[in-house]
Amino acid sequence: GAVVSQHPSRVICKSGTSVKIECRSLDFQATTMFWYRQFPKKSLMLMATSNEGSKATYEQGVEKDKFLINHASLTLSTLTVTSAHPEDSSFYICSARDVFGNTIYFGEGSWLTVV
Amino acid sequence: QQQVKQSPQSLIVQKGGIPIINCAYENTAFDYFPWYQQFPGKGPALLIAIRPDVSEKKEGRFTISFNKSAKQFSLHIMDSQPGDSATYFCAASRYAGGTSYGKLTFGQGTILTVHP
Repeated sequence: GAVVSQHPSRVICKSGTSVKIECRSLDFQATTMFWYRQFPKKSLMLMATSNEGSKATYEQGVEKDKFLINHASLTLSTLTVTSAHPEDSSFYICSARDVFGNTIYFGEGSWLTVV
Repeated sequence: QQQVKQSPQSLIVQKGGIPIINCAYENTAFDYFPWYQQFPGKGPALLIAIRPDVSEKKEGRFTISFNKSAKQFSLHIMDSQPGDSATYFCAASRYAGGTSYGKLTFGQGTILTVHP
């Protein structure tokens, strides 16, 4: 079946630095990818919708200058957490919708710890 | 209007039991209702999904019941096994209309424990 790969699976960074998380569709093309954030034992909250070749659409309350999203190709979207703070520590999950728009696949998630 | 309310928060059953998890939505524009299973430290995996034009859908041991007038849907797990112990999320999305599909609104999650 189709696979969505996230990298890195775990990352630790220092406060004030930036960290990039990649989301790749491995065997299909994804015109749209979605980024979610999940706190321990909580639900997934949609952060933004990433469309290939255009600007991401952010959900209300999500700082677009802090969470930079780039979707430069049909198989890759990146989320960059800029000037990270400990409160940004979370589980970040992406999903990808195939170009036919019929199926959504989730990545395995990326744990971010800001120290 | 974008909320999806899920209950119960946690559920414990014995092996072979039939746990039932319920969800209610408000936005009548939603027309795609998936259920996801998530193990600790992993991304969610699609279990089963339903569109509002049917009232029930079965896939293996998983059944979704859908009540459009009540704006409610539920997941039943038949002959539950210890390996089914996980967190289950309902979700809702707009399916038709292209661009909104996949933008999922998740319920709060249910932690299911199946005892041997």
